[in-house]
Amino acid sequence: DGGITQSPKYLFRKEGQNVTLSCEQNLNHDAMYWYRQDPGQGLRLIYYSQIVNDFQKGDIAEGYSVSREKKESFPLTVTSAQKNPTAFYLCASSIGGAGGELFFGEGSRLTVL
Amino acid sequence: ELKVEQNPLFLSMQEGKNYTIYCNYSTTSDRLYWYRQDPGKSLESLFVLLSNGAVKQEGRLMASLDTKARLSTLHITAAVHDLSATYFCAGGGSNYKLTFGKGTLLTVNP
Repeated sequence: DGGITQSPKYLFRKEGQNVTLSCEQNLNHDAMYWYRQDPGQGLRLIYYSQIVNDFQKGDIAEGYSVSREKKESFPLTVTSAQKNPTAFYLCASSIGGAGGELFFGEGSRLTVL
Repeated sequence: ELKVEQNPLFLSMQEGKNYTIYCNYSTTSDRLYWYRQDPGKSLESLFVLLSNGAVKQEGRLMASLDTKARLSTLHITAAVHDLSATYFCAGGGSNYKLTFGKGTLLTVNP
């Protein structure tokens, strides 16, 4: 079945540690995205990538980094510079081009202890 | 910069009643999406609206788009408990970015 797989589903981190969230898609989509969701809030765009080896900052990129070495993979690293990293992180993909519908993974919940 | 505003943010309904969720956006948007999110879960796509006057229906939900008024609506007919969830609208321009509203938490009571 085609879809988007995020891992881990739950992650606990100590302050000062970097963590990497995995996102893999087998939909053959060109574009991939990372969103952050806080309780009672909408989704805010962290980074997005339209093609392999290219990505752009979204609205809240500070403290995060990404790579896009393969079409199917778009990992997100939450660095120690991110001041408030506890949140629900959602990866999405779309076929590409304006008008593309987003398909979401199941999400990764990060808690900083 | 596109801004998307939903209202109401909280909606408590009785089963069998009708109601509408409104989604206003600030600048021209080429496309408008509605998503559903159950607690602790991801987002599920409900509707994609790509042109002025577009209307789509699925079961008890109907979405419409008025690009001149910069308004989309999600109408709920004869609500049932299974519709309890958070509903998001999202708008996008000619680039790849979508901007989401804050969501409407819908609770349908017996």
